[in-house]
Amino acid sequence: GESVGLHLPTLSVQEGDNSIINCAYSNSASDYFIWYKQESGKGPQFIIDIRSNMDKRQGQRVTVLLNKTVKHLSLQIAATQPGDSAVYFCAENIQNSGYSTLTFGKGTMLLVSP
Amino acid sequence: GAVVSQHPSRVICKSGTSVKIECRSLDFQATTMFWYRQFPKQSLMLMATSNEGSKATYEQGVEKDKFLINHASLTLSTLTVTSAHPEDSSFYICSADGLAGAETQYFGPGTRLLVL
Repeated sequence: GESVGLHLPTLSVQEGDNSIINCAYSNSASDYFIWYKQESGKGPQFIIDIRSNMDKRQGQRVTVLLNKTVKHLSLQIAATQPGDSAVYFCAENIQNSGYSTLTFGKGTMLLVSP
Repeated sequence: GAVVSQHPSRVICKSGTSVKIECRSLDFQATTMFWYRQFPKQSLMLMATSNEGSKATYEQGVEKDKFLINHASLTLSTLTVTSAHPEDSSFYICSADGLAGAETQYFGPGTRLLVL
């Protein structure tokens, strides 16, 4: 899985392109996954989630794909807009006794040029 | 939707002082609240999990005596950074879930702490 590092991967795209952001997770027992968007100086904002019994889920302009075999998650953003520029994090949910905790990936910065 | 607030949004303090950050769930009751720390260009790292009325569970490497967490009600959790030092400067973010065992966490806007 991804470890927290000092370098933030960056994806630069043109407005209107489709964007694909990838994430590897570490725990095969994780049963729920979430993608978050974080703008500078703000808290994470929920985008879309998927459970481990699914391999694809679609939202408005976003699609999440889950490949449990290789423990890989991706977020696809269609017709990317400048307002989509932010850091995107995947998070895996792990059940503890009575509550769940989230482990975040290291994040990808998406830069959308007009 | 569920709204979580944090106060203050920014704080600057001198080294050696203590700083308290509040996290509130505004329109729902939160059984569990979480505190994260985020350094520049890095991911969110879970510091501790707190349940209303019980002691917080700290992640490995997080000093419980330095980061005091109080979860006195179903809508309020506080994080106190005691004897803050410049290396404690960071972005502190809280989140809350709505029901026991719920998977969805609602995040606050974060608190920027700068220790001089």
